[in-house]
Amino acid sequence: EAGVVQSPRYKIIEKKQPVAFWCNPISGHNTLYWYLQNLGQGPELLIRYENEEAVDDSQLPKDRFSAERLKGVDSTLKIQPAELGDSAVYLCASSLRNSETQYFGPGTRLLVL
Amino acid sequence: GENVEQHPSTLSVQEGDSAVIKCTYSDSASNYFPWYKQELGKRPQLIIDIRSNVGEKKDQRIAVTLNKTAKHFSLHITETQPEDSAVYFCAAKNYGQNFVFGPGTRLSVLP
Repeated sequence: EAGVVQSPRYKIIEKKQPVAFWCNPISGHNTLYWYLQNLGQGPELLIRYENEEAVDDSQLPKDRFSAERLKGVDSTLKIQPAELGDSAVYLCASSLRNSETQYFGPGTRLLVL
Repeated sequence: GENVEQHPSTLSVQEGDSAVIKCTYSDSASNYFPWYKQELGKRPQLIIDIRSNVGEKKDQRIAVTLNKTAKHFSLHITETQPEDSAVYFCAAKNYGQNFVFGPGTRLSVLP
């Protein structure tokens, strides 16, 4: 069974440009998380979905970040416009509903120049 | 909200020695405590976890202990090997809530 898939793996953009990240969770996993991981730090939650519903987006900077999970499977995280401080690794994770075991994708490493 | 602290931030041990990493949490309602290992450029992977109704759990060379009264839990790695070198993250979670991660410990096992 495939794990959590993310693309692209790496992205380099200039500031003020838009960027989008895609995540395909493990089949059957209802819960999907997007995390931000700065260098040398632990993952920080951006948004959590239960199926297609965003149940916690309190940490998502909504002025420039947006996310969607229209059919309750794949998810997209977008930044528009990107800022220098957005350079980080964006991790996606998924789990079964009511399960505490979450599985991480490989992440997308973003560099904003 | 929950706050998780982790110490030390870096740890170097000789191959074959033991390593101990400690985390403290603030929310007494947290009841699930996983540990993740993240090698350079790779995804975090769950290595062991413990729930609040258990005081200790062991899996081969890895063990986790939990002290609910003091609100801290620790990762113990015995007979360390070079492939144990990585960044280790602890996390705390309450049912229905989000994971809160510690800042990580960079473990180096010296041959």
